[in-house]
Amino acid sequence: DARVTQTPRHKVTEMGQEVTMRCQPILGHNTVFWYRQTMMQGLELLAYFRNRAPLDDSGMPKDRFSAEMPDATLATLKIQPSEPRDSAVYFCASGLGQKDSPLHFGNGTRLTVT
Amino acid sequence: GDSVTQMEGPVTLSEEAFLTINCTYTATGYPSLFWYVQYPGEGLQLLLKATKADDKGSNKGFEATYRKETTSFHLEKGSVQVSDSAVYFCALPQNNNDMRFGAGTRLTVKP
Repeated sequence: DARVTQTPRHKVTEMGQEVTMRCQPILGHNTVFWYRQTMMQGLELLAYFRNRAPLDDSGMPKDRFSAEMPDATLATLKIQPSEPRDSAVYFCASGLGQKDSPLHFGNGTRLTVT
Repeated sequence: GDSVTQMEGPVTLSEEAFLTINCTYTATGYPSLFWYVQYPGEGLQLLLKATKADDKGSNKGFEATYRKETTSFHLEKGSVQVSDSAVYFCALPQNNNDMRFGAGTRLTVKP
């Protein structure tokens, strides 16, 4: 069963440190999404790629967050410098890029910034 | 833009009780509609979907009918189990194929 793989599963870091989260989308999927989940805000879209090109990153704080897809098998989300308010679960999802097609989620990276 | 509104809960039921989680949508046109489920410590996974009006999606004993006249896609299950305890999200796709999710409804089923 094909899965979206995210690493690390958990990350604890100190404020000001750089954090990099990685995602391996399902082979053959051409869309990749980064979401952030918190109790207060629910699921927020941070960034969206189609065929490795960034299409929408309006949900991402540009001053500290960056998202890239160096190749079709890897998507990264970086936070530099990290802040306590960044503590959340970050999910990567991939899809076929069709409206009737569901998104497939990884199990997330739980980030705690102290 | 298109959006979904779902009852937020939390919902607590006894095993074998009937479940309804309400979801209504606002959309131009007739998008596909989805229910996702999130078990503790995991990402969201597709539970069921419907692609057009009057379609009924079903999976694992859950059902939802796409009702155009009431713009609703309520999730139902006749007899819940402890293993159904999770957070349930109603969703619809946007023009860019992003998925717009509801706030989520936490279901706890007690034995």
